[in-house]
Amino acid sequence: DGGITQSPKYLFRKEGQNVTLSCEQNLNHDAMYWYRQDPGQGLRLIYYSQIVNDFQKGDIAEGYSVSREKKESFPLTVTSAQKNPTAFYLCASRRGPGELFFGEGSRLTVL
Amino acid sequence: GIQVEQSPPDLILQEGANSTLRCNFSDSVNNLQWFHQNPWGQLINLFYIPSGTKQNGRLSATTVATERYSLLYISSSQTTDSGVYFCAVPPEETSGSRLTFGEGTQLTVNP
Repeated sequence: DGGITQSPKYLFRKEGQNVTLSCEQNLNHDAMYWYRQDPGQGLRLIYYSQIVNDFQKGDIAEGYSVSREKKESFPLTVTSAQKNPTAFYLCASRRGPGELFFGEGSRLTVL
Repeated sequence: GIQVEQSPPDLILQEGANSTLRCNFSDSVNNLQWFHQNPWGQLINLFYIPSGTKQNGRLSATTVATERYSLLYISSSQTTDSGVYFCAVPPEETSGSRLTFGEGTQLTVNP
């Protein structure tokens, strides 16, 4: 089935460790996005990518990094520079100006 | 940038009641999406509705682009309708453009 797969769904890490969240889509979408959601809050854009090998910072890019080496994949690394990394992370994709679709999300807890 | 405001922020209903959620936006848009975030965090696409009215079962949505608002109607609400409802708009009709999300309406349907 076509869709967006995020992994892992749950992740626990010690403070100071980098972690990488995976996002893969088989929808042939050009654009991919990473959002962060804190409890009871809305969605904030971290990074987005319109084409392979290109990406732009969103509103809260500090402490995060991404790559877009393949059209299907847009991994997000939460670095040790991110001061408060515990959150729910959502990946999304869309084709052109069309509908945005989301993966199921990854919950990161930093101990 | 474009501003998106949703109202009400919170809504509590008894099962079987009807409700209307509103999304106002500050600039012209070419499309608008409504999402439902269930209690497990999953974001589900409800409507992709640049203008006019669409219906899907007990839910319907109307967007009046010239007046810069959209309404989501929920009829005969069920406990499974609980969650957060977001609207989102893109400021440009271009591939990969970032969407702006409202802060959401938290809906609780009690049995």
